[in-house]
Amino acid sequence: DAGITQSPRHKVTETGTPVTLRCHQTENHRYMYWYRQDPGHGLRLIHYSYGVKDTDKGEVSDGYSVSRSKTEDFLLTLESATSSQTSVYFCAISPRGVNTEAFFGQGTRLTVV
Amino acid sequence: AQSVSQHNHHVILSEAASLELGCNYSYGGTVNLFWYVQYPGQHLQLLLKYFSGDPLVKGIKGFEAEFIKSKFSFNLRKPSVQWSDTAEYFCAGGSEKLVFGKGMKLTVNP
Repeated sequence: DAGITQSPRHKVTETGTPVTLRCHQTENHRYMYWYRQDPGHGLRLIHYSYGVKDTDKGEVSDGYSVSRSKTEDFLLTLESATSSQTSVYFCAISPRGVNTEAFFGQGTRLTVV
Repeated sequence: AQSVSQHNHHVILSEAASLELGCNYSYGGTVNLFWYVQYPGQHLQLLLKYFSGDPLVKGIKGFEAEFIKSKFSFNLRKPSVQWSDTAEYFCAGGSEKLVFGKGMKLTVNP
């Protein structure tokens, strides 16, 4: 398995609280992605990064922000969690973006109550 | 906007049946296409990939896919499925960022 660690693996939080999910890689890959997976929607891209401090929005970025201050860490923050953000969140990495395959982390199951 | 669409939602087959899953892409530029598999409770794993060259791509576990440019398609095939192929399958692609189809669940009955 690729060296990707997501933390936490499971989290239950209350509506309105901020939440930060962490993705840590040991592969030194340039590209990192955050997806959410929901039944009937597949995987939807939230944000992605193409280098330190270089990030861009995906298709469902509202309510989320990201930061990448080091190559190995990509943080996803829910500024004020809502029930619609209950989902499984996957981090992925790739060395050269879509010109190579992406490797996925184990996922974080987030429940907002 | 670039997009990838999958035609099937849930397919139920018996062991030894043949499988074909449809995938169409809608974007220009460089065409890179992938099929991923997600076994129950696990993360996504790459089955196969297409970047250029031979349009018939062979992947792991006996899967193959054919890229047909004129049809904007990248269908996944397997001649004889096994119970262990029960999983969800995702087509993905993109020219700048990786986007996924909605996935297709395959159930293989023994």
